[in-house]
Amino acid sequence: AQSVTQLDSHVSVSEGTPVLLRCNYSSSYSPSLFWYVQHPNKGLQLLLKYTSAATLVKGINGFEAEFKKSETSFHLTKPSAHMSDAAEYFCVVSPRNNYGQNFVFGPGTRLSVLP
Amino acid sequence: DTAVSQTPKYLVTQMGNDKSIKCEQNLGHDTMYWYKQDSKKFLKIMFSYNNKELIINETVPNRFSPKSPDKAHLNLHINSLELGDSAVYFCASSQVPGGGQFNTGELFFGEGSRLTVL
Repeated sequence: AQSVTQLDSHVSVSEGTPVLLRCNYSSSYSPSLFWYVQHPNKGLQLLLKYTSAATLVKGINGFEAEFKKSETSFHLTKPSAHMSDAAEYFCVVSPRNNYGQNFVFGPGTRLSVLP
Repeated sequence: DTAVSQTPKYLVTQMGNDKSIKCEQNLGHDTMYWYKQDSKKFLKIMFSYNNKELIINETVPNRFSPKSPDKAHLNLHINSLELGDSAVYFCASSQVPGGGQFNTGELFFGEGSRLTVL
């Protein structure tokens, strides 16, 4: 079985300061991992994904995440927050197996960016 | 050209009514999904179809019935609507990329359909 824990339901940072959104997962198989962002009243957009290549993954808008198997973590970071980063962020796990794709979402972390 | 499109975007209806939400994807993907997002933003999978075949059917009341006329379309019909059905429903699609069955493609989402049951 797969599950995702996002350790913070809400993170608040000042504009220009670093962002850290934490994600831990469990998976019966080697996982693919994703981060999605959802702006208010919008659909979900892929920020980045890990599928077994480099463990440090770079995404859009300056975000990156590092896959750490020993810690079962996939934390999302950005060096400098922008006001437009304020949104809901979801960590997602999908097992890489032959039973079809099944994406399990974490509960989400709301990022607020203060001026 | 929108990759995954859902209609309607907003739906307000009375308890007991029947309603449908339509979804179409023009990405050529072979798998489509319905997700429900509740008021706390939690996303839960409801159904998944692969090439018109149902492959994931989570614990969802049988008032909800998905229909996939072809692999580009996945519609959701809801009978006898209840207050608790109020939510945002997202359609999504994905495709296993080349390189073997152990790769995972990402999900592409529609803009969502906000259902309000009064």
